[in-house]
Amino acid sequence: DQQVKQNSPSLSVQEGRISILNCDYTNSMFDYFLWYKKYPAEGPTFLISISSIKDKNEDGRFTVFLNKSAKHLSLHIVPSQPGDSAVYFCAAGMEYGNKLVFGAGTILRVKS
Amino acid sequence: DTGVSQNPRHKITKRGQNVTFRCDPISEHNRLYWYRQTLGQGPEFLTYFQNEAQLEKSRLLSDRFSAERPKGSFSTLEIQRTEQGDSAMYLCASSYPGSYEQYFGPGTRLTVT
Repeated sequence: DQQVKQNSPSLSVQEGRISILNCDYTNSMFDYFLWYKKYPAEGPTFLISISSIKDKNEDGRFTVFLNKSAKHLSLHIVPSQPGDSAVYFCAAGMEYGNKLVFGAGTILRVKS
Repeated sequence: DTGVSQNPRHKITKRGQNVTFRCDPISEHNRLYWYRQTLGQGPEFLTYFQNEAQLEKSRLLSDRFSAERPKGSFSTLEIQRTEQGDSAMYLCASSYPGSYEQYFGPGTRLTVT
């Protein structure tokens, strides 16, 4: 069963515009959500996270929004840069230090 | 802080052979995780350790897989009698005590021919 879903396999955005990556989850026990970025032949790199007690978290150009009632989160990248082109994974966890459940990823391409 | 390291980065083996991968976590991290990633999928959890204790194993981890973390530092993942379906990227991650964020190594790409 896919508890974390990223329904868009790919997204293409013009440089300087906003990129919005979406993620849905089914398990209401998840209480922490993370976004990872992955380049080819490298491991995932932690990007930003959000606790279920918040609805927004910002870090520079990256903002994550959480809608618990809809079991939906999104990552906004503003402005998008060509170096942001990568695969983005959404992940969810239930308690400190426990395993993460990942979505299948979204390929982001930022065109210059 | 040198980050999580994994060796080897690539391994090609013939079906039926045994392989062993090593992971060195970030030194202050007491939790260590193994994940497997296949093409077009996100990482899937295999097992994790707190210090030297193995606390959880996924159903994905068949009897042919074994993981150890003998002194609570580095970890090894061994696959016995490899099968073509074992071909994947094997990722190791570690985390601080009381933290959700897991930091990944570069992975070991296994190809079983």
